[in-house]
Amino acid sequence: QVQLQESGPGLVKPSQTLSLTCTVSGGSISSGSHYWSWIRQPAGKGLEWIGRMYSSGSTNYNPSLKSRVTISVDTSKNQFSLKVSSVTAADTAVYYCARDGPLCWFDPWGQGTLVTVSS
Amino acid sequence: DIVMTQSPDSLTVSLGERATINCKSSQTVLHSSNNKNCLAWYQQKPGQPPKLLIYWASTRESGVPDRFSGSGSGTDFTLTISSLQAEDVAVYYCQQYCSSPDTFGQGTKLEIK
Repeated sequence: QVQLQESGPGLVKPSQTLSLTCTVSGGSISSGSHYWSWIRQPAGKGLEWIGRMYSSGSTNYNPSLKSRVTISVDTSKNQFSLKVSSVTAADTAVYYCARDGPLCWFDPWGQGTLVTVSS
Repeated sequence: DIVMTQSPDSLTVSLGERATINCKSSQTVLHSSNNKNCLAWYQQKPGQPPKLLIYWASTRESGVPDRFSGSGSGTDFTLTISSLQAEDVAVYYCQQYCSSPDTFGQGTKLEIK
């Protein structure tokens, strides 16, 4: 059973870069049939898809964040990562990693990690 | 982007009664490649990640109680809980996965009367 776990700093200063890692266990991140996504949720608000990494290594980002987001993969560690540059208070949220696929829903999800942007 | 709009924003239902949540997409999410609706429903309880309930608009995920059902096609969808249980208190989200960016509804908060 595939499980995902987010990790990274819980506090980031404004204008700096947010960096998170998602560790995948119970399955290979290199599986050709799956994609790997990041989703975020500000406190008390809804869900926003940030972007995904395809099994080929290519990426697809939400246009609303595309200029500031980078998703990468480390297959040797079975991990994929998220970087969001030039953060502001509006980037404060719980960040989730999740698995999806072609024409596919998000399942499973990691437990989420809260990132606060504050000086 | 496909905009997903849920109604109502909040819902209060008595135990054992039916709960109905609606989701409307700004464009059809019926995918031409397989004639299926790219629509999922999730349940989120406080402090937890969303849990997949329904995909392809009406296919129940393994392990999800059969009191949960999904219906609809094209742009209009419904999640129905046939007999509300206390553990169903949560926020429910719909999501389309037909077209990037994937988008979610704003959520519907379900409470017990």
